[in-house]
Amino acid sequence: QVQLLESGPGVVKPSGTLSLTCAVSGASISNTNWWTWVRQPPGKGLEWIGEVYHSGLTNYNPSLKSRVTISVDRSKNQFSVRLNSLTAADTAVYYCATYSPGAGVAHKYWGRGTLVTVSS
Amino acid sequence: EIVLTQSPGTLSLSPGERATLSCRASQSVNSNYLAWYQQKPGQTPRLLIYGASTRATGIPDRFSGSGSGADFTLTIGRLEPEDFAVYYCQQYGSSPITFGQGTRLEIK
Repeated sequence: QVQLLESGPGVVKPSGTLSLTCAVSGASISNTNWWTWVRQPPGKGLEWIGEVYHSGLTNYNPSLKSRVTISVDRSKNQFSVRLNSLTAADTAVYYCATYSPGAGVAHKYWGRGTLVTVSS
Repeated sequence: EIVLTQSPGTLSLSPGERATLSCRASQSVNSNYLAWYQQKPGQTPRLLIYGASTRATGIPDRFSGSGSGADFTLTIGRLEPEDFAVYYCQQYGSSPITFGQGTRLEIK
């Protein structure tokens, strides 16, 4: 059973940088899955941020691409997201998740999510 | 980018009734990589259906997915009290991955 756990600060200042890490257990981050970040502003829907493969290959949401970096640390079996130039619109619950497109399976495993508030 | 439009926005039904939720894509979804998720307040999204019609592990058989190309449907055969939640469709066949805006299923 794959388990994902997000960690990082709950409050970040406007114009600052959000940095979150997702620790993976129950699976190797070097398997054939893609490792994903999704966010959900309070009371709103789900927004895909981007994803990373164990090789370091990434895909990003075009609306965030200029501000986001997703990376993988195979030695620690974890992956991370950094989002800069923050505004109040970036306040959201941030989830990490994983899926296996090669097997046709969508995002079966999710972290519990972490609320990040952008506020001075 | 594939835009997913879900309808209706809100669906009001009673327990025991049948629910039909729609998800329409702005273009054909590659390999029918269309998923449905259920989300209850304060909880993580739960994968119900992937590949348009395959139930995820542990999902009751009253949930069924159908459709292909750009037109997909989630059907809940006989509503249980625990089924009242928000449902999202997602396409994961091409980048960027996109979600629909959600359908809220509420008790009538």
